Amino acid sequence: NAGVTQTPKFRVLKTGQSMTLLCAQDMNHEYMYWYRQDPGMGLRLIHYSVGEGTTAKGEVPDGYNVSRLKKQNFLLGLESAAPSQTSVYFCASSYHDPYEQYFGPGTRLTVT
Amino acid sequence: DQQVKQNSPSLSVQEGRISILNCDYTNSMFDYFLWYKKYPAEGPTFLISISSIKDKNEDGRFTVFLNKSAKHLSLHIVPSQPGDSAVYFCAAAGNKLTFGGGTRVLVKP
Repeated sequence: NAGVTQTPKFRVLKTGQSMTLLCAQDMNHEYMYWYRQDPGMGLRLIHYSVGEGTTAKGEVPDGYNVSRLKKQNFLLGLESAAPSQTSVYFCASSYHDPYEQYFGPGTRLTVT
Repeated sequence: DQQVKQNSPSLSVQEGRISILNCDYTNSMFDYFLWYKKYPAEGPTFLISISSIKDKNEDGRFTVFLNKSAKHLSLHIVPSQPGDSAVYFCAAAGNKLTFGGGTRVLVKP
């Protein structure tokens, strides 16, 4: 039982490049979330999903897109990376929304 | 404006003593509160929670207190251990979780 996994762990992008972050969970959770963590800001919700095939915007969705084609996977895409997107990205899942969430180990992204 | 605030960015405490972490919120619609613990290079892990219908919840060395009238919650760790050194986030649940900025705790042996 791996819980929540994230790929990759680290990535450096140049401004304007694109990339996709993958999140996978093996707990059969309906709800999945993408957060970003910045110093002193806590975790801010980017997008979330309440089930396979559904997505919704969170607090800071601009510049990101998501897809949930399979229940166990939640993808976060950056179409044209900007330095302001330098952050640590966490994926989470939960059985009940919005309560106890299980987090992945994070992806540290640097945009130069 | 941040709806959940942890005003102390860091806390240093001696091993065996009590650690008290504070969290304030502004939205009276929040009905459930959680504390998460985060070690470096790892994701946050759930620690303890409390419903708005209670004022105290205890789990081993960890106790969370909720003062609804003051919109304030606190986490007490007694006794503190070196392994408790981490960043602690409080979170409040409305329709989604809103996190505070975190408090870094250092427990000195």
